[in-house]
Amino acid sequence: KQEVTQIPAALSVPEGENLVLNCSFTDSAIYNLQWFRQDPGKGLTSLLLIQSSQREQTSGRLNASLDKSSGRSTLYIAASQPGDSATYLCAVKNAGNMLTFGGGTRLMVKP
Amino acid sequence: DTAVSQTPKYLVTQMGNDKSIKCEQNLGHDTMYWYKQDSKKFLKIMFSYNNKELIINETVPNRFSPKSPDKAHLNLHINSLELGDSAVYFCASSQVAGAIVQFFGPGTRLTVL
Repeated sequence: KQEVTQIPAALSVPEGENLVLNCSFTDSAIYNLQWFRQDPGKGLTSLLLIQSSQREQTSGRLNASLDKSSGRSTLYIAASQPGDSATYLCAVKNAGNMLTFGGGTRLMVKP
Repeated sequence: DTAVSQTPKYLVTQMGNDKSIKCEQNLGHDTMYWYKQDSKKFLKIMFSYNNKELIINETVPNRFSPKSPDKAHLNLHINSLELGDSAVYFCASSQVAGAIVQFFGPGTRLTVL
């Protein structure tokens, strides 16, 4: 059974810092991995999707990497801004039509 | 303009009551889902419907009954609500079953007193 873990559970940084969020999964037989952003009272927003055959994806200040063999993914946020404050969730897709989510990292970027 | 919408946004009710949460998507997608997010922020899939037919039914109490009147709607009805049902429930949709990307609604925060 797939298990997804995110570390740290919470992170507080000053504005401008570069930061890394970690995601690990137990079953490496995944189709893809997604990083989502969750804002209070709002739905999940998909940030980046990495196919199992890819090593990384970039979108603006965000870069996500995937090491399928070791069951790890990182989300790198460059030059963090207060507007980046949110909960970040990673989710992996295995066989079938299901996503398994981690518990999230709650990020606070202080001005 | 909303892609996936849910109503209500907040729901506070007494234990033992029956309540429904509605979900609609205007993306023309074939597949819709219900997820439950617990207090630790983990999202777990509950149900998935493809073209109004149930294709995923995880271990969910019989008190939860999804209903899909058409492929644009997937409603969640909950009977005899219990304290442990308190959570945020997310609806999502994807173009087809097994599609890479799922679009999520804003969530419904259910509080059972």
